[in-house]
Amino acid sequence: QKEVEQNSGPLSVPEGAIASLNCTYSDRVSQSFFWYRQYSGKSPELIMSIYSNGDKEDGRFTAQLNKASQYVSLLIRDSQPSDSATYLCAVNGVDSNYQLIWGAGTKLIIKP
Amino acid sequence: NAGVMQNPRHLVRRRGQEARLRCSPMKGHSHVYWYRQLPEEGLKFMVYLQKENIIDESGMPKERFSAEFPKEGPSILRIQQVVRGDSAAYFCASSTDRGNSPLHFGNGTRLTVT
Repeated sequence: QKEVEQNSGPLSVPEGAIASLNCTYSDRVSQSFFWYRQYSGKSPELIMSIYSNGDKEDGRFTAQLNKASQYVSLLIRDSQPSDSATYLCAVNGVDSNYQLIWGAGTKLIIKP
Repeated sequence: NAGVMQNPRHLVRRRGQEARLRCSPMKGHSHVYWYRQLPEEGLKFMVYLQKENIIDESGMPKERFSAEFPKEGPSILRIQQVVRGDSAAYFCASSTDRGNSPLHFGNGTRLTVT
């Protein structure tokens, strides 16, 4: 059973600091990696896609991928209270017929 | 460019009734996924469809649940003889391919069984 693991949190970060969210996956040949944000009572919203090793930046968000170590992370700079949400990591699973395998999510709380 | 459209947003059914949830994927998307989510829990995969075909229904209960994605019209998730345990948020997502492209989610249907 291929898995994607995240710390469930809650992760509490002061406003203005960097929030670091981590995700590990078990399928070595995964090729596509996604971070979603889900506010309470709302649907998941795509934040970042990353496909190759290294960093990918988009505004205050940076996704980092390390395929050798099988982890993907999301950094949020200058954290705002509006960033408080659950962050879901999703990885395409080659062995699961390329369907996305989802982590359970990390709850992030930004304290003013 | 319209996103994934789900309706209704809220659906209340009495035990034993049928629930029909509709999903129109984004324009150009032919892959549709249905997920269920209970409060404070993660997304649970139910079924994956392409036009006129069910590709993977491994997450869908064998009884009372069915899904379709006809050549014309929206994808439908049907729950027959609903029970209180079916109360949940049901999300539809679509993509352009299987796995490599991200999923785009609709706003969901909140089903309440009384």
